[in-house]
Amino acid sequence: QVQLQESGPGLVKPSETLSLTCSVSGYSISNGHYWGWIRQPPGKGLQWIGIIYHSESTYYNPSLKSRVTISVDTSKNQFSLNLTSVTAADTAVYYCARRIYYGSGSFWDYFDFWGQGALVTVSS
Amino acid sequence: DIQMTQSPSYVSASVGDRVTITCRASQGISSWLAWYQQKPGKAPKLLIYGASTLQSGVPSRFSGSGSGTDFTLTISSLQPEDFATYYCQQADSFPELTFGGGTKVEIK
Repeated sequence: QVQLQESGPGLVKPSETLSLTCSVSGYSISNGHYWGWIRQPPGKGLQWIGIIYHSESTYYNPSLKSRVTISVDTSKNQFSLNLTSVTAADTAVYYCARRIYYGSGSFWDYFDFWGQGALVTVSS
Repeated sequence: DIQMTQSPSYVSASVGDRVTITCRASQGISSWLAWYQQKPGKAPKLLIYGASTLQSGVPSRFSGSGSGTDFTLTISSLQPEDFATYYCQQADSFPELTFGGGTKVEIK
């Protein structure tokens, strides 16, 4: 069974950088698939942040692209999120998840395994 | 950007009821549509992908249909554990994807 677990500070000051790590067990990131981050502000809906494939390809939500970096450490089977210049609007539960995508015509593009989520509050 | 509009945003139903949730895309997305269930304080759980394929382990009372711009999630006989918020997700133009605003299913 694939399991994901987010870790990182629960409180970040405005203008600083939010950093989270997702530890994966039960599946090797090196074996494939995309690995991504999704966030959910309190009481609101879901927003895709970005994904990474192996250590080669990253894709980001255009609305966050200028502030987001996702990286992977295959030796630790972990991937990470950095979000710079945060404001109160970045306060949310941040989820890491595995994204399945099998290409054109398959219609298979979805997140099948999720972490439990990490609440990050941006406040001074 | 493709916008996903779910309706209703809230539904009150009883155990045993048939519940239908609709998701409409602002442009055609073929069958690039998934549905998730989220309970309070928990991560979303995948129910359906490819508009109508049931994820392994999901009860058969859940079904999905539609293609193009209009999609539905149906719960044929609502069970106590089904009270939750449901989200649709489109992924027509990889890598971008967007979620609908959610539909909360509450006990009548």
